[in-house]
Amino acid sequence: GDSVTQMEGPVTLSEEAFLTINCTYTATGYPSLFWYVQYPGEGLQLLLKATKADDKGSNKGFEATYRKETTSFHLEKGSVQVSDSAVYFCALSEGNTDKLIFGTGTRLQVFP
Amino acid sequence: NAGVTQTPKFQVLKTGQSMTLQCAQDMNHEYMSWYRQDPGMGLRLIHYSVGAGITDQGEVPNGYNVSRSTTEDFPLRLLSAAPSQTSVYFCASSLSRGSGYTFGSGTRLTVV
Repeated sequence: GDSVTQMEGPVTLSEEAFLTINCTYTATGYPSLFWYVQYPGEGLQLLLKATKADDKGSNKGFEATYRKETTSFHLEKGSVQVSDSAVYFCALSEGNTDKLIFGTGTRLQVFP
Repeated sequence: NAGVTQTPKFQVLKTGQSMTLQCAQDMNHEYMSWYRQDPGMGLRLIHYSVGAGITDQGEVPNGYNVSRSTTEDFPLRLLSAAPSQTSVYFCASSLSRGSGYTFGSGTRLTVV
């Protein structure tokens, strides 16, 4: 079945450092891809999405490009802030049912 | 516009008790889902619905029932609570395929 694999954390960075969180997927069809963010004690928030190959999703300085050839959707940000500290989840949605399949999440800790 | 509303926020049950976790959305979304979040395992799909009167099982449906009599409501029933059902439960809704889900703030359930 479809699956999502993302790098294990925690990822620990200093403020203003460059961020990459790797995400790869396995899917039989052409899924939509998402990054969600979860702040402590809260639900998940949609951060960005891409619905077809070569699409780039972006929001709040975060970017990710849908790479069909490498089945990847890596999350990047050029300069992280302390307020970006959270858990980040990569996910795909399956075909007609739109079921979301999540990776296990990557915790990001940013220090001043 | 309240989004996705989950009640209660916290609940403690004794083994064998039953209860219903409530979920309501006011965005006229067709797709709704229930997930459980456990440490190190990301979010796993319990049940989902693609419209009123239509439900199906997800990855971990055992011990849970759902119904979708209206577009707005999607309650999750625990039939006979077990300690293995101790988790954080999230309800989510989506307008259409690939549009991304809006999550509720979660219900933290402890079964003793």
